[in-house]
Amino acid sequence: GAVVSQHPSWVICKSGTSVKIECRSLDFQATTMFWYRQFPKQSLMLMATSNEGSKATYEQGVEKDKFLINHASLTLSTLTVTSAHPEDSSFYICSVPSGGDSGELFFGEGSRLTVL
Amino acid sequence: GQNIDQPTEMTATEGAIVQINCTYQTSGFNGLFWYQQHAGEAPTFLSYNVLDGLEEKGRFSSFLSRSKGYSYLLLKELQMKDSASYLCAAVDSNYQLIWGAGTKLIIKP
Repeated sequence: GAVVSQHPSWVICKSGTSVKIECRSLDFQATTMFWYRQFPKQSLMLMATSNEGSKATYEQGVEKDKFLINHASLTLSTLTVTSAHPEDSSFYICSVPSGGDSGELFFGEGSRLTVL
Repeated sequence: GQNIDQPTEMTATEGAIVQINCTYQTSGFNGLFWYQQHAGEAPTFLSYNVLDGLEEKGRFSSFLSRSKGYSYLLLKELQMKDSASYLCAAVDSNYQLIWGAGTKLIIKP
């Protein structure tokens, strides 16, 4: 069964509105979660590392005021795209480290955002 | 800088064998992952190599040469459902994943 659940799978919104995406680890506690975005035919781009109980760590070039990350509990991290614009339309994916020696990641199902 | 190279696209025939290559340049190295990603879906784990050599897992095998900065994913007895993108990702000294752009594999009947 799924280890990481992401919701919603699809979301369409109007330009200027905000959208919240949830990422839940189902079977274990996660102090760290990763948020990626992926444009068509491109690889995953790490946006930020979500840390439970503290501020997220953003990658260079990612606007922290636009992509708000909240990791309020050991099983839930949220990504809020504020004042969304059409160029924010993308596939957003969260992942959780397995905690094993390999560093394998468990991925959520992904959320496809379309901003009109 | 850190870099991962893999072919953009490959085509193979159902029932055949295909090898997808990946070369990497990273600051330190702590292993290499292969993930499969079907269109519109999240990636799923295929393999992890940290030692030199070939690891076989069913129809899929993964090979690593640390001295050459090279890995390949070998898919045997190709099935139509194997049509997907295959992502190579290396782990650097800070345990950060460096992702390749992915190889789109097209399987033809």
